[in-house]
Amino acid sequence: NAGVTQTPKFRILKIGQSMTLQCAQDMNHNYMYWYRQDPGMGLKLIYYSVGAGITDKGEVPNGYNVSRSTTEDFPLRLELAAPSQTSVYFCASSYSLRGPDNEQFFGPGTRLTVL
Amino acid sequence: AQSVAQPEDQVKVAEGNPLTVKCTYSVSGNPYLFWYVQYPNRGLQFLLKYITGDNLVKGSYGFEAEFNKSQTSFHLKKPSALVSDSALYFCAVNDNFNKFYFGSGTKLNVKP
Repeated sequence: NAGVTQTPKFRILKIGQSMTLQCAQDMNHNYMYWYRQDPGMGLKLIYYSVGAGITDKGEVPNGYNVSRSTTEDFPLRLELAAPSQTSVYFCASSYSLRGPDNEQFFGPGTRLTVL
Repeated sequence: AQSVAQPEDQVKVAEGNPLTVKCTYSVSGNPYLFWYVQYPNRGLQFLLKYITGDNLVKGSYGFEAEFNKSQTSFHLKKPSALVSDSALYFCAVNDNFNKFYFGSGTKLNVKP
């Protein structure tokens, strides 16, 4: 049971480039989330998904896109990377949203630098 | 606006002493409250949560937290700190509209 996995661990992008951050979970969780963590700040929710084919915006969705074609995978797409997107990105999943098993399990993170 | 506040950037305690990490929130409705811990270069790990019921909840590694509705607080506590408890601690709130809000984190430093 690998839990939540993220690739890559590190990436440096040039301004204007695009990339996809991969996230997968093997716990059969319906709910998945993408957060960014800036230095000295808490996590900000970018997007979340309540199941395959269903996604919704979080607090800071601008500049990002997501898709959820399977229960296991929840990739995050950055189009036209900007320095403001330099951050550590965490993917998380949970069994439920408001029910008793709603604690989130986090991946190890992707450290992205945009120069 | 919904928000979670952790008023202390850093908390320092001596090993064996009790510790408290503070959290207050401003979220409407009946939120769910969480504490997570983050070790260097790792993702967040769940410690404990409050949904309903007893205001004192117990979690992993001897941590507990007290929910106070009138003060909208959810402080994390441990009776006797260990050096291995040194890490970054985050308070989080789940509102009634499927959104999660995290505090800015408190660095706990437990000295031998």
